[in-house]
Amino acid sequence: KAGVTQTPRYLIKTRGQQVTLSCSPISGHRSVSWYQQTPGQGLQFLFEYFSETQRNKGNFPGRFSGRQFSNSRSEMNVSTLELGDSALYLCASSLGGSGSEKLFFGSGTQLSVL
Amino acid sequence: DQQVKQNSPSLSVQEGRISILNCDYTNSMFDYFLWYKKYPAEGPTFLISISSIKDKNEDGRFTVFLNKSAKHLSLHIVPSQPGDSAVYFCAASRAGGTSYGKLTFGQGTILTVHP
Repeated sequence: KAGVTQTPRYLIKTRGQQVTLSCSPISGHRSVSWYQQTPGQGLQFLFEYFSETQRNKGNFPGRFSGRQFSNSRSEMNVSTLELGDSALYLCASSLGGSGSEKLFFGSGTQLSVL
Repeated sequence: DQQVKQNSPSLSVQEGRISILNCDYTNSMFDYFLWYKKYPAEGPTFLISISSIKDKNEDGRFTVFLNKSAKHLSLHIVPSQPGDSAVYFCAASRAGGTSYGKLTFGQGTILTVHP
C-alpha cells in the first residue's frame, strides 16, 4: 500500500509570490490534514479536510488555504508569501480523522521563501 | 501556550540500555496520546499510542506509560539500538468533539544511541 505522497519535495519562492502544494493520501483514507514545521514553533496544525469539506482549522492567517478533491487528494495554497513561511509542510492522512486515530504523514514539502 | 511539553531537548544513551523519553501536558481534555519518530527531511513515523483509559501500552521494544493525575507520559525503548537515533515527538488529541485531524505536538527530543 503506497504511503502519503507529497509533491514537490522542495520549492523555492520569493516574497509576495504564491505557492500550491499537493498531497495524495493513503488509498481509502478520506481525511487529510496539513501541518507546518519550523525550528521555532515546531509542528503546528493548519487544517483538516474530509469529503471535500474543511472540518477543522488551526490559528493561521487567511493566506493559508486548502481544498480537497472528490478522490481525497488535497492541495494547500499560501498566497503573498512571507519570509516566515519558510518551513517544512507536512500532509497527513487517516481513515476518518477522528481524534482517536493515528495520522500517517508524508515526507513533506520543504518551502524556502527568499 | 505550550499544551504539550517535552522538557529534554536531547538524550544520549548507550546501545542496549533503556531510553526513557518524557512528555507533560496541561490540557485535561486530551485523551489520546501518540509518539512519533522523525528523521531530518522526512515526515513523522507513528510509533505507539495510548488511550486515556489505559496506563500502559506495549509494542515490541516500545512501551508508553500514562499517568493521568500527573498529566505525564513516557516512552521506554528497551533495548535501545543505534537505528533508534532520531527526533521523538509526543502528541496529544481529543478523541471526540471537533478535533478532526488535529494533533498537538511537543517540541521533540533528539535521541542519540551510541554503539
